[in-house]
Amino acid sequence: GENVEQHPSTLSVQEGDSAVIKCTYSDSASNYFPWYKQELGKRPQLIIDIRSNVGEKKDQRIAVTLNKTAKHFSLHITETQPEDSAVYFCAARKGGSYIPTFGRGTSLIVHP
Amino acid sequence: EAGVAQSPRYKIIEKRQSVAFWCNPISGHATLYWYQQILGQGPKLLIQFQNNGVVDDSQLPKDRFSAERLKGVDSTLKIQPAKLEDSAVYLCASSSRADGYTFGSGTRLTVV
Repeated sequence: GENVEQHPSTLSVQEGDSAVIKCTYSDSASNYFPWYKQELGKRPQLIIDIRSNVGEKKDQRIAVTLNKTAKHFSLHITETQPEDSAVYFCAARKGGSYIPTFGRGTSLIVHP
Repeated sequence: EAGVAQSPRYKIIEKRQSVAFWCNPISGHATLYWYQQILGQGPKLLIQFQNNGVVDDSQLPKDRFSAERLKGVDSTLKIQPAKLEDSAVYLCASSSRADGYTFGSGTRLTVV
């Protein structure tokens, strides 16, 4: 089955800095890569996603890049704010299946 | 807010006791999932239902965990008997082609 590795497990940045979280996946059939943000005690919520026919996608301060050849994808957050502090999960999903396989999560801490 | 409803929000039980969680998916979502999220890890799929049928329960510890979705709408997940290592957040999610994938707020189980 699919295996998703996520790094780092913890990321601490100063407000205004950029943060990058990286994931790799094992199954070349995976073609959909969502990112979820989970605030303490709350449900994971989709913040951005990318499909395998696209190399990069941007939404305001967040962007995701995908390298299909290397089977890795990354989340980039620019101009971080304290409210960005949360656990971020990457996931990979094959076509025809709604079940994503999740990474272990990255705890992002943005210091004011 | 409309979405995937779960109850209870919190549950504390002693080991060897039984516990049940309830999930009501978004109206019209045929697919329902139960995930186990241990502290510091990503969600791990336990079981997937399509309407009232089980699609994937390969990671469900069937000696102690059971789940049902008798009428193809709401679902219950039961643990009997519980072990200390079952302490986790149990997330329910539902999906449709139109709406994508949505998590509930989860049930935090503590086994003491």
